[in-house]
Amino acid sequence: QSALTQPPSASGSPGQSVTISCTGTSSDVGAYNYVSWYQQHPGKAPKLVIYQVNKRPSGVPDRFSGSKSGNTAFLTVSRLQADDEADYSCSSYGGSDMYIVFGGGTRLTVL
Amino acid sequence: QVQLVQSGGEVKKPGASVKVSCKTSGYTFTTYGISWVRQAPGQGLEWVGWISPYGKTHYAQKVQHRVTMTTDTSTSTVYLELRNLGSDDTALYYCATDDWNTFEYWGQGTLVTVSS
Repeated sequence: QSALTQPPSASGSPGQSVTISCTGTSSDVGAYNYVSWYQQHPGKAPKLVIYQVNKRPSGVPDRFSGSKSGNTAFLTVSRLQADDEADYSCSSYGGSDMYIVFGGGTRLTVL
Repeated sequence: QVQLVQSGGEVKKPGASVKVSCKTSGYTFTTYGISWVRQAPGQGLEWVGWISPYGKTHYAQKVQHRVTMTTDTSTSTVYLELRNLGSDDTALYYCATDDWNTFEYWGQGTLVTVSS
């Protein structure tokens, strides 16, 4: 059982937007602005798409955005493309005891 | 460009130990710490531990009594050793640069299989 809770699946049609949630506690997501999101295609290493809640690394399109409300973080993928179909995992800093906690991952399907 | 190149896959028997390497290049080694993250077959990501470029470590509670991470600054290489392996240690092990709890650059992964 993962420390952060994500829905196992999400889907959307090309051109649409989809939002994936990541629910933690007041000790991790709610306490720190160190939430990251990773995209992982089958057989590949994870790729950072969002860090510190809402920042995008260089090269990640602005179709990817992040936000947070209370103990829940969100990843929104706008203007869905076929290549967005992948697993998406969130992580959060959990303090000096837990350090980093991950969500179980959400499989995004582009219909 | 930043690159992390990991050692090859390993097959170990229960109770054995494994040592995985992660050779870094393309950046000043002292810029980032390195975290190890593992992924069991069909499962999510799990943080294993972190090491600073200077050797300070922080391990996940689940493995803290069985894991040792070390660095070799002369070769910009980081090592993960896991002892007393069990079947639930079977996973793809990744190293990644750790910059304020953000993993930007990842190795290609090393499959560790524990089987009798």
